[in-house]
Amino acid sequence: NAGVTQTPKFRVLKTGQSMTLLCAQDMNHEYMYWYRQDPGMGLRLIHYSVGEGTTAKGEVPDGYNVSRLKKQNFLLGLESAAPSQTSVYFCASRSRVDGTEAFFGQGTRLTVV
Amino acid sequence: SQQGEEDPQALSIQEGENATMNCSYKTSINNLQWYRQNSGRGLVHLILIRSNEREKHSGRLRVTLDTSKKSSSLLITASRAADTASYFCATGGYNQGGKLIFGQGTELSVKP
Repeated sequence: NAGVTQTPKFRVLKTGQSMTLLCAQDMNHEYMYWYRQDPGMGLRLIHYSVGEGTTAKGEVPDGYNVSRLKKQNFLLGLESAAPSQTSVYFCASRSRVDGTEAFFGQGTRLTVV
Repeated sequence: SQQGEEDPQALSIQEGENATMNCSYKTSINNLQWYRQNSGRGLVHLILIRSNEREKHSGRLRVTLDTSKKSSSLLITASRAADTASYFCATGGYNQGGKLIFGQGTELSVKP
């Protein structure tokens, strides 16, 4: 099984450009998450979804939008990229059964110049 | 602000020594999980402890939970160079609406 797959793995954007990060999971998980990781800041939750068609804001949602049209996919969009969004982005998924572990993708390294 | 906060932020020890990392959280939880991250890679789940448990073991890992103090600790015994990584605690549960919140992590360096 592939588990959680993130696309792309690396990307360089110019300020003001837009892009979409794709997260796909093949474990039939209900919950999916997008995090960003910056040096010394740990993982900060951007948005999450508890099911197909539902999304919710996390700790740092500003400047990002998400969609969960299909259960297996969770998209993270940057409408107008800013240098402050330079980061490593991680997607994760887990079952809605309480106490289950989350599975992570390998990350997307995004640089905004 | 983040739910879980790790302490210390960085820890350097010699192979064979024990490593202890602490995590504090702010709200009531159903469970607390510990994850490991090797440099630049995704996180991998290590162990989960439920709110009605006080201690749990898995191989060289020992986790404790004190809900009255809203804190947890992860002990790695007889550490190895391969244990060098960052370690994160995470809290989540039904009472958090599906959220899974991570702390800032402890960067562990084990010197051979």
